[in-house]
Parts: sequence; structure tokens; C-alpha cells
Amino acid sequence: RKEVEQDPGPFNVPEGATVAFNCTYSNSASQSFFWYRQDCRKEPKLLMSVYSSGNEDGRFTAQLNRASQYISLLIRDSKLSDSATYLCVVRGYSGGGADGLTFGKGTHLIIQP
Amino acid sequence: GAGVSQSPSNKVTEKGKDVELRCDPISGHTALYWYRQSLGQGLEFLIYFQGNSAPDKSGLPSDRFSAERTGGSVSTLTIQRTQQEDSAVYLCASSPRWRQGMAGNTIYFGEGSWLTVV
Repeated sequence: RKEVEQDPGPFNVPEGATVAFNCTYSNSASQSFFWYRQDCRKEPKLLMSVYSSGNEDGRFTAQLNRASQYISLLIRDSKLSDSATYLCVVRGYSGGGADGLTFGKGTHLIIQP
Repeated sequence: GAGVSQSPSNKVTEKGKDVELRCDPISGHTALYWYRQSLGQGLEFLIYFQGNSAPDKSGLPSDRFSAERTGGSVSTLTIQRTQQEDSAVYLCASSPRWRQGMAGNTIYFGEGSWLTVV
């Protein structure tokens, strides 16, 4: 099983709709979780951290399910500008490489007018 | 500056030449990372520096790749005898030191150096 898995998509969603995607992780000792957004030919940028109790930032809601080892991202009232690739990032004190950071390969979202 | 700064933004080089890519992290960030991303692909970890500790080089794809970080700040990634498969964007990131149990500590990326080997 890959350390961090995401459905690559693409998810084609009409403007104004609600879309949700998940990310599963294999290391139960993982400590911190994040969603990044990456636009075409740009660097990844932090969208939001994911807290145990779940958290919301405007139209975006992130949830963590430790028992099932997944995090989710929900986007309400989607905008054309939400079109991007969404990267799931998991951080744990694994003692392994990359300072315990593992990036998913991303879910590609296309919002259609 | 306020963010991670990388140079050059774009580099076209001939196969077999050496290239150097520079990264200036966010001031005060002790951790510095290099990643590589080919078009349409995910991020590939290359190397990680934390303060004065020995770097984690576990992601370097071959001995043609090396990196150093001088004075705990600026880092240079060097690719010797470049090959066409080295063409990618090379992303540098930095973060404060992360400690177990700390929540919300994450990394910030520069805009990348786009390398094309012809």
C-alpha cells in the first residue's frame, strides 16, 4: 500500500456544485495533515491544515478520520478558480526520509462553467 | 524576502553540462528541502537539511546530484553531466524546525527552477 493515496481524477464538476475527495494514509503514527493546492506550472501552496476536530475555512472543510486513516476535503459552491490539483500531505515522526513528510500525487479538479 | 526565493527561474542547458540551482529560504527557517517534479507528475523528494545536522540525501537519484547549504541558510543544488531525463522543475521549500507533537507546522515552496536539458 502506498504511504499516501489519492484518486488522481480528473473530477469534472459544474460551477456551484459541491465536491469532495479523500486521501488515505498508511502510517498510523502520522501526526499532522495538510491540503495543498497546485495550479498548472506553479508551486504547491498551503490551502489548509487539517485538525483532529475538523476545520472550516470559508467554502472549504477538512476532516480527519484517524480510525480509518483518511482525510477529506469538501469544497462548497465551487468556483472556476478552484480548478487545480489538490495535494494531500501527511507528516509523521517516522524516522524516515524527507523529515517525515509524504506528499500524495494529487487530485485534479476541473470546475466547468 | 518574505518567501522562498529560487534562481534561476528558467534554465536551458546542453546535455553533459553542469548546472547549479540556488535557494534562499524564508528567514528563520531551519529546515530546507529540495523536490523535483516532472510535468504532470507528483513531487519527488531529493534532499533535506535541518540546521547543522547531516543532510538526508536519501532521495537523490544518482551521484550526479549533490547539494550543500552554507551557513544554515542558502542552498545550492548541483547537477553534473546533465541528462535529458533531468528536465523538470526543481522546487525548494523551507519550514521552521518541526518537533513531534506540534500541530500545523508545514513547509512553504519557492516558485521553482525550470530546467530543460537539450
